[in-house]
Amino acid sequence: GESVGLHLPTLSVQEGDNSIINCAYSNSASDYFIWYKQESGKGPQFIIDIRSNMDKRQGQRVTVLLNKTVKHLSLQIAATQPGDSAVYFCAQAGGYQKVTFGTGTKLQVIP
Amino acid sequence: EAGVAQSPRYKIIEKRQSVAFWCNPISGHATLYWYQQILGQGPKLLIQFQNNGVVDDSQLPKDRFSAERLKGVDSTLKIQPAKLEDSAVYLCASSSQPITEAFFGQGTRLTVV
Repeated sequence: GESVGLHLPTLSVQEGDNSIINCAYSNSASDYFIWYKQESGKGPQFIIDIRSNMDKRQGQRVTVLLNKTVKHLSLQIAATQPGDSAVYFCAQAGGYQKVTFGTGTKLQVIP
Repeated sequence: EAGVAQSPRYKIIEKRQSVAFWCNPISGHATLYWYQQILGQGPKLLIQFQNNGVVDDSQLPKDRFSAERLKGVDSTLKIQPAKLEDSAVYLCASSSQPITEAFFGQGTRLTVV
């Protein structure tokens, strides 16, 4: 079956530095990848997505990189702020449009 | 734009009791999802609707869980009878179409004792 996993459960970053959150996926047939941010007590919030025909996509302060050769996805956050502290999930859409979430990485921003 | 509304926010029930959750998606969103999120884990898709039809319910424990989306708008998720391992946050999400940005509600935190 499909699985999406993260390398690090917790990432601590100094305020102002860049953050990189990594994710490995197993289903090479997926054609859509998404990053979500979840703050305590709230539902996940969409950050950015990327289709499998792309290897990079940029948003406001965030960049997603997709390496299909090694089945690796990363989220880069520039100039990390305290408000970025949350749990980040990568997700992939496999067959039949089903979206599978990974286990999450907790980002802690140190003031 | 109003977000996805869910109720109740919290529910505590005893095992073997039944419970129901309600979701009102964003107006016009044809795709509706129910996810189960156990503490410390990522959300797990239980069921996905496209309008009022089921697209995927492969991970829905059909012996105890049921869901419906009448008229392709609001949806309810029911558990009967509940087990201790059903304790989780139940998230509803909607999107304008499949495999696009999904908007999540705040979820219902269920505790089964």
